[in-house]
Amino acid sequence: IAGITQAPTSQILAAGRRMTLRCTQDMRHNAMYWYRQDLGLGLRLIHYSNTAGTTGKGEVPDGYSVSRANTDDFPLTLASAVPSQTSVYFCASSDSPHNEQFFGPGTRLTVL
Amino acid sequence: GQNIDQPTEMTATEGAIVQINCTYQTSGFNGLFWYQQHAGEAPTFLSYNVLDGLEEKGRFSSFLSRSKGYSYLLLKELQMKDSASYLCAVRDSNYQLIWGAGTKLIIKP
Repeated sequence: IAGITQAPTSQILAAGRRMTLRCTQDMRHNAMYWYRQDLGLGLRLIHYSNTAGTTGKGEVPDGYSVSRANTDDFPLTLASAVPSQTSVYFCASSDSPHNEQFFGPGTRLTVL
Repeated sequence: GQNIDQPTEMTATEGAIVQINCTYQTSGFNGLFWYQQHAGEAPTFLSYNVLDGLEEKGRFSSFLSRSKGYSYLLLKELQMKDSASYLCAVRDSNYQLIWGAGTKLIIKP
C-alpha cells in the first residue's frame, strides 16, 4: 500500500441499509478526515480525528459515525442510509492538522 | 457564516496564462490552500499561503492578501493536462478546512 486506500470504489445501496466505508493509510499520519463532495458544493467535512483514539464532528456529521482504533484505519459508517447521502466520499490524512491533507481515491455511493 | 467564493468555470488557451480568484470570509484564518482535482479523481495539493505575498512553484504561483480576504492562483504556459477543477480552501480558527466549490478550468488548443 502506498498512500491512502478506500473501499469500495463504488456502491449502490438500498435506503435503510447499514454501510461502512473503509479508509486505510500507510503514511503514519496522525490526523484523518472524511469529506463528502456534491456537485456545485465544496468538500464538506463529516468527521475528523486528530490522533488515534479521538474523533470530532465536522460540518455535516448527522447520519454518520466514525471510529479510530489505530493510526492507520478510519472507517465511516452510515447506520441507516438515506437518498440524501448519495455522494462521493473522500478520506484524507495529514501528519498534523497544521499541514496539507492527502486524499484517497474516493468512494462513489448511491442510495436508492 | 463562512464563505469561500470562486468562479464556477473559466476557459483559456493552451500556452496562455490564467488567473483563478478566490475570496473568503471565515471565522479566523490559519492559511489558504489550493488543490487541483481532475475529473473523477482525488484532489491533490498545489500550494499553501499563510503570509501576504506571492508563492511561486514552477508554472504555478499563488498570491494572498489577508486584509482583503483574497487569493489567486496563477497558471502559466498552460498545457492541456491543466484542464481540471481548482479548489480553494481556508483553514479556520479550529484548524478545519473550509472549501470553495471549485473552478473548472477548460483549456482549448
